[in-house]
Amino acid sequence: KQEVTQIPAALSVPEGENLVLNCSFTDSAIYNLQWFRQDPGKGLTSLLLIQSSQREQTSGRLNASLDKSSGRSTLYIAASQPGDSATYLCAVRPQGGSEKLVFGKGTKLTVNP
Amino acid sequence: IAGITQAPTSQILAAGRRMTLRCTQDMRHNAMYWYRQDLGLGLRLIHYSNTAGTTGKGEVPDGYSVSRANTDDFPLTLASAVPSQTSVYFCASSAGLHKGEKLFFGSGTQLSVL
Repeated sequence: KQEVTQIPAALSVPEGENLVLNCSFTDSAIYNLQWFRQDPGKGLTSLLLIQSSQREQTSGRLNASLDKSSGRSTLYIAASQPGDSATYLCAVRPQGGSEKLVFGKGTKLTVNP
Repeated sequence: IAGITQAPTSQILAAGRRMTLRCTQDMRHNAMYWYRQDLGLGLRLIHYSNTAGTTGKGEVPDGYSVSRANTDDFPLTLASAVPSQTSVYFCASSAGLHKGEKLFFGSGTQLSVL
């Protein structure tokens, strides 16, 4: 059974710092991996989607990498800002014909001014 | 603005009552999903639909039912609510597994069952 783990559960950094959020998954047989952002009391917003054949995706200050063989993904945030404060979740789409994502429990990021 | 609309945004419900959470999307996505989010447990899939006319069970389907009469609407019904169904419910949609399938979420429904 696929499991997704995000460590740490919470992270606090000063503004301007570059940071890395980690996501690991137990089964490398995936179609893709997505990173989401969730603000308090809101739904999830998809940030980046990496297909299994890809190594990374970039959007602005965000860069997500995927190492499928080792079951790991990282989300790199450059020059962090207080507005980046949110919970970041990753999710994988396992292979096997199911329309189901498996989510990690997220990392709560606080960027201090 | 294109996206997913959920209603109501919040609801307090007496145990034993029937409740339908509404979800509508205007992106013509084939796939739709219902999740519940609970502290410490993360997001769990309740039911899903790959396309209009079909539905499937997720991880935690007991006590819930769905229907998909058309592409746009995917209501979730609690036939007889129980306190353990207190949660935040999110509806989501995607173009589908083989079409890029970025997932879009609604803003959620906060449900309290007393």
